[in-house]
Amino acid sequence: KQEVTQIPAALSVPEGENLVLNCSFTDSAIYNLQWFRQDPGKGLTSLLLIQSSQREQTSGRLNASLDKSSGRSTLYIAASQPGDSATYLCAAYSGGSNYKLTFGKGTLLTVNP
Amino acid sequence: NAGVTQTPKFQVLKTGQSMTLQCAQDMNHNSMYWYRQDPGMGLRLIYYSASEGTTDKGEVPNGYNVSRLNKREFSLRLESAAPSQTSVYFCASSAGTGRPQHFGDGTRLSIL
Repeated sequence: KQEVTQIPAALSVPEGENLVLNCSFTDSAIYNLQWFRQDPGKGLTSLLLIQSSQREQTSGRLNASLDKSSGRSTLYIAASQPGDSATYLCAAYSGGSNYKLTFGKGTLLTVNP
Repeated sequence: NAGVTQTPKFQVLKTGQSMTLQCAQDMNHNSMYWYRQDPGMGLRLIYYSASEGTTDKGEVPNGYNVSRLNKREFSLRLESAAPSQTSVYFCASSAGTGRPQHFGDGTRLSIL
């Protein structure tokens, strides 16, 4: 059974800092991995999706990497802004007939002005 | 851009009451999903529909039923609500299994 872990559970940084959020998964036979952002009281917004054959994906100030052999993914946020404050979740699509997403519990990011 | 629309946004029920949560997407997606989000538990899949006409159980299906009414709509029904079903419920859709999922804003359900 796939398990996804995100550490730390919460992170507070000053504005302008570059930061890395971590995600680990137990079953390396993943189909892809998706990073989401969730604002308080809102649904999830998809940020990046990395296919199992890819090493990284970039969108603006965000860069996500994937290392299947070590069971790890990272989300790098450059030049953080207060508007980046949110909960960030990673989710792994496992292979097989169902392709179900397994979510981590998220990292609550606070960027202080 | 409507995306995924969930109704209602908030609901309070008494134990034993029934209700149906509605979800509609306008992205012509094939696959739709229902999740619940609880503090400390993360998001857990209740049911999903890989394509119109099919539904399958997820991780926590007990106490729920679903209907894929057509390609756009996927409803979740609580037949006899229990306090343990107090949660935030999210509907999501994707072009297919394994494709990026797009989420609605959720239904906040309290069962007294």
